[in-house]
Amino acid sequence: NAGVTQTPKFQVLKTGQSMTLQCAQDMNHEYMSWYRQDPGMGLRLIHYSVGAGITDQGEVPNGYNVSRSTTEDFPLRLLSAAPSQTSVYFCASSYFRQDQTGELFFGEGSRLTVL
Amino acid sequence: DQQVKQNSPSLSVQEGRISILNCDYTNSMFDYFLWYKKYPAEGPTFLISISSIKDKNEDGRFTVFLNKSAKHLSLHIVPSQPGDSAVYFCAAMETGTYKYIFGTGTRLKVLA
Repeated sequence: NAGVTQTPKFQVLKTGQSMTLQCAQDMNHEYMSWYRQDPGMGLRLIHYSVGAGITDQGEVPNGYNVSRSTTEDFPLRLLSAAPSQTSVYFCASSYFRQDQTGELFFGEGSRLTVL
Repeated sequence: DQQVKQNSPSLSVQEGRISILNCDYTNSMFDYFLWYKKYPAEGPTFLISISSIKDKNEDGRFTVFLNKSAKHLSLHIVPSQPGDSAVYFCAAMETGTYKYIFGTGTRLKVLA
């Protein structure tokens, strides 16, 4: 059972380039989310989704796009990377039923550097 | 504005003693609270949670206390072990939006 899988684990981009961080889970979780971790800032919520076709903004959504076409996948897109987006990104998922969610299961993270 | 605050960036405790990590929140719509542990270069892992209808939850060496009137929760680890050395995050889920908001973390060091 793989859990939450993030790819790539490491990426270096130049300012203005675009890329997609991939996230897949095999636990049939309806709820998925993306966080970024920066020193002294903790984990900040970027975007989240409570099911296929449904996405919503978190605390720091600017500069990022998401879509949820399947239950399993929740990619995070950077359309024009900026140095301020240098961070470690975590994808997380959880069950979601009867208007309740449980604990989040996290991936191992993707370290992104924007030059 | 930080809705979930962990005001102690770091904490050192002797092995075998109690570790107490604190967390404060400001949003009254939070109704589910969690603690996570994170080692370097790994994703956070779930430790323990508590619903707003309870004031205490225990799981082995870990106990979480919730004081709703004070908007405060704490994690007690007894006895502390060197393997507990990690960064601990508290998190809160907002009713209705299902957003999970995390604090800034507390680095715990358990000294042998």
